[in-house]
Amino acid sequence: KAGVTQTPRYLIKTRGQQVTLSCSPISGHRSVSWYQQTPGQGLQFLFEYFSETQRNKGNFPGRFSGRQFSNSRSEMNVSTLELGDSALYLCASSSQGTNTGELFFGEGSRLTVL
Amino acid sequence: EDQVTQSPEALRLQEGESSSLNCSYTVSGLRGLFWYRQDPGKGPEFLFTLYSAGEEKEKERLKATLTKKESFLHITAPKPEDSATYLCAVQANSGNTPLVFGKGTRLSVIA
Repeated sequence: KAGVTQTPRYLIKTRGQQVTLSCSPISGHRSVSWYQQTPGQGLQFLFEYFSETQRNKGNFPGRFSGRQFSNSRSEMNVSTLELGDSALYLCASSSQGTNTGELFFGEGSRLTVL
Repeated sequence: EDQVTQSPEALRLQEGESSSLNCSYTVSGLRGLFWYRQDPGKGPEFLFTLYSAGEEKEKERLKATLTKKESFLHITAPKPEDSATYLCAVQANSGNTPLVFGKGTRLSVIA
């Protein structure tokens, strides 16, 4: 069974640009959550999508947005990038959503903002 | 606000030297406490779920326990392959709430 796939794995952007990250969940999983991981803050919740609906949103500015498609694949977008957005962005899928707590994570997309 | 504090931040053990990692939490009603393992360059990997005080779960050299205020991850006779960052997370018992993670304990086991 294929795991969670995130693309791209690495990317470098400059301040003011925007970026789109993609996540393909495990087949059959309808929930996709996104987390930002930095050395100082650890893992912080961005948002969760379940059957194309945003079910939860963390405390991030409106520059961070996401969506989920009918095949459960998800994308997140960060506009007007800032230096502080440099982080590992992790996607996690689950068959039932965050209710179970058992999330399957991808390997992440490492974003560097210069 | 739900919070998770893990200690120590880093731990260095000799192979075979048993120890424990701590996860202290405050949450408005606990639905579950979760342990994950994260290897460098990888995403976290689920280990255990604990739901109520007194509960214990085991997997190979790892045993997780839970009290009303904290959880411990006991590592018995660790091996170098146990080296990783161990993350603790809690979920509040109120609707569809996301997991709140601690910053993790970075474990190094030296042969």
